[in-house]
Amino acid sequence: AQSVTQLDSQVPVFEEAPVELRCNYSSSVSVYLFWYVQYPNQGLQLLLKYLSGSTLVKGINGFEAEFNKSQTSFHLRKPSVHISDTAEYFCAVIAFKAAGNKLTFGGGTRVLVKP
Amino acid sequence: GAGVSQSPRYKVAKRGQDVALRCDPISGHVSLFWYQQALGQGPEFLTYFQNEAQLDKSGLPSDRFFAERPEGSVSTLKIQRTQQEDSAVYLCASSAQPRITGELFFGEGSRLTVL
Repeated sequence: AQSVTQLDSQVPVFEEAPVELRCNYSSSVSVYLFWYVQYPNQGLQLLLKYLSGSTLVKGINGFEAEFNKSQTSFHLRKPSVHISDTAEYFCAVIAFKAAGNKLTFGGGTRVLVKP
Repeated sequence: GAGVSQSPRYKVAKRGQDVALRCDPISGHVSLFWYQQALGQGPEFLTYFQNEAQLDKSGLPSDRFFAERPEGSVSTLKIQRTQQEDSAVYLCASSAQPRITGELFFGEGSRLTVL
């Protein structure tokens, strides 16, 4: 079965500092990978996705993530955060298998940007 | 509509009561998903519809949970004889794709508290 592990439940960071949110997945088959963001009192929205091709993917609001197949990781980065990046971030994976596909989420990482 | 709409946003139920949660997906979206998000956790898959057909209900935690989408648009998640462990945010998501691609549009959720 597929699973997603987000190693940090909370990440405090100062404004304009870089941030990296770690995500590891387990799957023995091909995967699609996603990062979703949930701002306070809002629904989840797609930040970026990896389907195939270049392992470095860019998303909205200056975020990017790198797919590393050998390390089964898909870490999210932003070189300089803003106060408005305060939110919860979820890594998610679809592992394609004959029995059916599901979008499986990690436990989330709460980012608190401090002035 | 412009986005996925869920109602009620908040529901308090006494243990043993039945509840119904409604999801109005984006107009024309073929696929509809229900997720359960417990406090401090990532969303957990409950069930998936393609139009009116419920193709996957493997995530429903018990036979007290029932979902329907009779006309292929609005969906209702019903929980019978609610228990305290049912307390969670129930998320609905939709997609224009007739297959699972991982690119979902989420509603703001219905927060259920069972006393």
